[in-house]
Amino acid sequence: DAKTTQPPSMDCAEGRAANLPCNHSTISGNEYVYWYRQIHSQGPQYIIHGLKNNETNEMASLIITEDRKSSTLILPHATLRDTAVYYCIALNNNNDMRFGAGTRLTVKP
Amino acid sequence: DAGVIQSPRHEVTEMGQEVTLRCKPISGHNSLFWYRQTMMRGLELLIYFNNNVPIDDSGMPEDRFSAKMPNASFSTLKIQPSEPRDSAVYFCASTGTSGASSYNEQFFGPGTRLTVL
Repeated sequence: DAKTTQPPSMDCAEGRAANLPCNHSTISGNEYVYWYRQIHSQGPQYIIHGLKNNETNEMASLIITEDRKSSTLILPHATLRDTAVYYCIALNNNNDMRFGAGTRLTVKP
Repeated sequence: DAGVIQSPRHEVTEMGQEVTLRCKPISGHNSLFWYRQTMMRGLELLIYFNNNVPIDDSGMPEDRFSAKMPNASFSTLKIQPSEPRDSAVYFCASTGTSGASSYNEQFFGPGTRLTVL
């Protein structure tokens, strides 16, 4: 699976959009981009995933560049409860999910 | 569904003792994963099972660690003998192909916090 690179930390004001970037320049054609988050002391939680097209669900939006070398997770209206570590993972059809260091997002009032 | 259930939630033991962590996956899920999380190494995949069969145990640190899945509703991770460096939070996760979930959407349990003195 392709390696991903994320900034170690980011801040966001409550109510504003949080845009979390991820680089995956070596991603292969059959690898999906998955996003998980981990709120302190809890197990990771699935957020969203995509292959080529942009995706949106009740939690977030995922924007994938046309060359698929990077993506952005968007939390449209961040709340204090969105403070967490966010993981970007490139994964093919196997189940071998490898978590990196992620981005620690702090939402501030 | 109650989600992935792990027990115990906290375990404190002394070096050299045997430790057994337990996991009940979500009913109907056919894949189960064991992870370990520490400050130094982050979240590491130890082993995963498909249909009760171990598929990849390359993340198991050494022979002191063993995992079993005797049936679709139960798995154990055993450490014998335990060492202080095994102190970590151990997560179990499961995934399945049925329903609206994505094939690889893993559902994590609350974790077991292990402290080896």
